[in-house]
Amino acid sequence: AQKVTQAQTEISVVEKEDVTLDCVYETRDTTYYLFWYKQPPSGELVFLIRRNSFDEQNEISGRYSWNFQKSTSSFNFTITASQVVDSAVYFCALRVYNTDKLIFGTGTRLQVFP
Amino acid sequence: SQTIHQWPATLVQPVGSPLSLECTVEGTSNPNLYWYRQAAGRGLQLLFYSVGIGQISSEVPQNLSASRPQDRQFILSSKKLLLSDSGFYLCAWSATPGTSLVDTQYFGPGTRLTVL
Repeated sequence: AQKVTQAQTEISVVEKEDVTLDCVYETRDTTYYLFWYKQPPSGELVFLIRRNSFDEQNEISGRYSWNFQKSTSSFNFTITASQVVDSAVYFCALRVYNTDKLIFGTGTRLQVFP
Repeated sequence: SQTIHQWPATLVQPVGSPLSLECTVEGTSNPNLYWYRQAAGRGLQLLFYSVGIGQISSEVPQNLSASRPQDRQFILSSKKLLLSDSGFYLCAWSATPGTSLVDTQYFGPGTRLTVL
């Protein structure tokens, strides 16, 4: 069975601090996709990134970076120099190849204070 | 570009009343469509998904049903709402296999339903 664990329920930081959101996944399949979504207070889920299981290259997009390590089944998300607008709930998700189902973690609520 | 719409944005309904939530997608054809529910302070639960007109798969047996009368329209319904149906309902789409966007689900703005 597949599972995504986001052990951090809530994180609070002060603006300009760096913060890392953890994601650990479980699957026996060798081909799968990992995702991060952002849910701001408005509620809409905003797609941030997709990674497939064959691509362990880390990715950086502006202040966002992602660290994918198959050896530890982790796909962690780091925000550098956090801003108040980064305050949201962040979800990590897993989808196994040839299935339609996204398995979501329970989310991490990030609060960035000015 | 593709866009996804949901309405209404918010809804307050009495217990026992019917429900109809609508989701439409623009800018793509033959999408896969999904309904999720998010209870207050919790994660997302997949309710239904559809790979084509009239094709509905249910993930969790419950008080709700879904229909897909047109290629880019997905409707979530109930004949009699329960208190436990309260939550935030999100519709999502993904492209069909063979396209570059096939692996990612994109979400709509959601409908916040309160059953009293």
